Formats: sequence, structure tokens, C-alpha cells
Amino acid sequence: KAGVTQTPRYLIKTRGQQVTLSCSPISGHRSVSWYQQTPGQGLQFLFEYFSETQRNKGNFPGRFSGRQFSNSRSEMNVSTLELGDSALYLCASSLEHNYGYTFGSGTRLTVV
Amino acid sequence: QQQVKQSPQSLIVQKGGISIINCAYENTAFDYFPWYQQFPGKGPALLIAIRPDVSEKKEGRFTISFNKSANQFSLHIMDSQPGDSATYFCAASMSLGGSARQLTFGSGTQLTVLP
Repeated sequence: KAGVTQTPRYLIKTRGQQVTLSCSPISGHRSVSWYQQTPGQGLQFLFEYFSETQRNKGNFPGRFSGRQFSNSRSEMNVSTLELGDSALYLCASSLEHNYGYTFGSGTRLTVV
Repeated sequence: QQQVKQSPQSLIVQKGGISIINCAYENTAFDYFPWYQQFPGKGPALLIAIRPDVSEKKEGRFTISFNKSANQFSLHIMDSQPGDSATYFCAASMSLGGSARQLTFGSGTQLTVLP
């Protein structure tokens, strides 16, 4: 059974640019959550999508957005990148009642 | 507002020793408490989890102890091995209504097991 796949693994962007990250969940998992991980702030919840609808959202500015497609694959977008957006972005998938999350290996975003 | 407080931030243990990581939560609506293990370059992986209706759960060398009256729970790693060296996160989950739930993580503990 394939795990959660995140692409790309590494990304370097310039301040002011925008970026799109992709997540393919485990087959059959309909919930996809995104987290930002930094040394200073730890794991912070960005948002969760279920059946193509945003079901929950964390305390991040509107520059952070996401969507989910009918096949449950999800993308997140960050516009007008800032240096502070440099982080490991993790995607996690789960069944409808999301008790057990399975995380991908993340996308390491560096903003220069 | 940090809803799950985790300590210590780092922990060094000799091979064969016991590693203990503690977490405390503030929101009594939390009803599911998982622990995650993260190796460098990897995402967190679910290690073991407990619900508040039990006081202890053991899986191999890993044990969760839960103290509902004190709003605290802890992870004990018996016979710690160098391969256990990783970052450990406690977490707490609560219902948001319907089938939606939210998972809140502690700040993490970097465990180093010396050979």
C-alpha cells in the first residue's frame, strides 16, 4: 500500500514569488491535512480538506490556501512568499474520522 | 495559545535505560492522545495512542501512561536503543462536530540514546 506522497521534496523560491505543493493521500483516505513545521514553532495546523471541501482552518494568513480534487489529491499554495515561510510542509491523510494520520515526508521550502 | 505542553525539550539516555517524555493539556475536550516519532528527513509516524478511558497502554517497549485527573500523559520507552533516537511529539485530538477532528501537537522532544 503506497504511503502519502508529497512533491516536490525540496524547493527554493525568492521572496514575493508564489509556490504550489502537492500531496497524494493513501488510497481510500478522503481527508487531507496540511501542517507547517519549523524549529521555532513546531508543527502548526494549516487546514484540512475532506471531500473537496475545507473542513477546518488554522491561524495562518490568507496567503496560504489549498484545495482538494475529486481523487482526494490536494495542493496548497502560498502567495507572496516571505522569508518566514521557510519550513517543512507536511501533508497527512486519514479516513473520514481522522484519528490516525499518516504523514508524507514533506516538502522542504526555502525562501531566499 | 499552546494547548499541549511537552517536556523535556531534549533528552539523552544510555542504551538500555528508560526514556520518559511528559505532556500536559489544557482543553478537556481532547479525547484521543497519540504519540508520533519523527526521524530526520521523514514525516512524523504514529507510534502509539490512548483514549482517556484507560490509564495505560503498552505496545512492545513503548508505554503510554494517562492521568485524566491531572490532564497529563507520558510516554515511556523501556530498554531504549540507539535506533530510538528521534524526535517525539505528543498530540491531542478533539472533535469539531460531525466527523471532523483537530489534532494539536506538543513542541517535541529530541531523544538521543547513547550506545
